[in-house]
Amino acid sequence: NAGVTQTPKFQVLKTGQSMTLQCAQDMNHNSMYWYRQDPGMGLRLIYYSASEGTTDKGEVPNGYNVSRLNKREFSLRLESAAPSQTSVYFCASQGETGNTIYFGEGSWLTVV
Amino acid sequence: GEDVEQSLFLSVREGDSSVINCTYTDSSSTYLYWYKQEPGAGLQLLTYIFSNMDMKQDQRLTVLLNKKDKHLSLRIADTQTGDSAIYFCAESNSGAGSYQLTFGKGTKLSVIP
Repeated sequence: NAGVTQTPKFQVLKTGQSMTLQCAQDMNHNSMYWYRQDPGMGLRLIYYSASEGTTDKGEVPNGYNVSRLNKREFSLRLESAAPSQTSVYFCASQGETGNTIYFGEGSWLTVV
Repeated sequence: GEDVEQSLFLSVREGDSSVINCTYTDSSSTYLYWYKQEPGAGLQLLTYIFSNMDMKQDQRLTVLLNKKDKHLSLRIADTQTGDSAIYFCAESNSGAGSYQLTFGKGTKLSVIP
């Protein structure tokens, strides 16, 4: 059981470049999330999707776009990367038992 | 908005008990959670408690919830070096059809051999 899978694991971008972080879950969950984790800031919600075809902004959406391609996949796109977007990005999906959230292993992104 | 607070660091000796504390502000929280994050890894769900419970035990882990004081704690009995990690407290609230979680900033537990 793979759970939540996100790619790539590591990426270095130059300022202004674009890229997409991919996420897929095999647990048939409706809700999916993208968080970023920064030292001293904890986890902050970027965007979430309550169901296929819907997306909503979280706490820190600026500079990002998302796409809920289907029930399994939820991608995060940086259109024009900035050094402030250097972070660890976590995708997650939410089960119905206890509303528990299951996380992917993270994507380490550095923007130079 | 909702807030979750926890101390940043805790150091204990191997074999002792660890107690990690957390306070939250949202009185309508439905569930409260503890997650563990080891270096270079994602967050692993340790346990969760429904808001109408005051205690939950799972092997070496004991969760205590004081809903009146909005205080949650995680006790790890017989702490081992493998327990060294960052522990995140989180609470859930409903919003736009999803139960969003609000996380604390994490408590780094260091276990001294």
